[in-house]
Amino acid sequence: DGGITQSPKYLFRKEGQNVTLSCEQNLNHDAMYWYRQDPGQGLRLIYYSQIVNDFQKGDIAEGYSVSREKKESFPLTVTSAQKNPTAFYLCASSPGVTASEQYFGPGTRLTVT
Amino acid sequence: ILNVEQSPQSLHVQEGDSTNFTCSFPSSNFYALHWYRWETAKSPEALFVMTLNGDEKKKGRISATLNTKEGYSYLYIKGSQPEDSATYLCAFRGRGSTLGRLYFGRGTQLTVWP
Repeated sequence: DGGITQSPKYLFRKEGQNVTLSCEQNLNHDAMYWYRQDPGQGLRLIYYSQIVNDFQKGDIAEGYSVSREKKESFPLTVTSAQKNPTAFYLCASSPGVTASEQYFGPGTRLTVT
Repeated sequence: ILNVEQSPQSLHVQEGDSTNFTCSFPSSNFYALHWYRWETAKSPEALFVMTLNGDEKKKGRISATLNTKEGYSYLYIKGSQPEDSATYLCAFRGRGSTLGRLYFGRGTQLTVWP
């Protein structure tokens, strides 16, 4: 089945630890995105990548890092510099960067205590 | 940061009622307007991608209109059903350096009571 997978569904970490969220797609899409959702907020863009080995900061990139070494993979690292890391994280992909709709993964809920 | 506003924030209707909600976005540098439906415990799913002023799209009982000159889009649901309960998100795509990304509104949470 084609789609986007994110793992794990729930993730718990201690404050001060870096954590990496996985996002994989087998849709052969060029573009991939990471969003964060907090209660009462819309989807806020963290990072996006339009092509392998290239990525751009979104609106809330501070405290996060990404890599795009393979077309199908776009992992997000939440570093200890992120002040409020507890949130729901969604990964998405799209065929291109123009009017294409985005396809979303199931999300990872990260809790940092 | 570009502003995309959705209203109302939440809406409760009875089964069979028709309803509509609004998405407001900048009228300059318009490229596309997206609508998504996000059901609880599922991933957001695309409903429509609209690119032309005056565009009207329809999928079953759901339709959407677009006015790029004044910067708004309406989403209509005719004869709401409990399975329509979800959060409806709109997202703006602008021309230029930000063409590669979407700007999402906060969504309208719709609850349809049987």
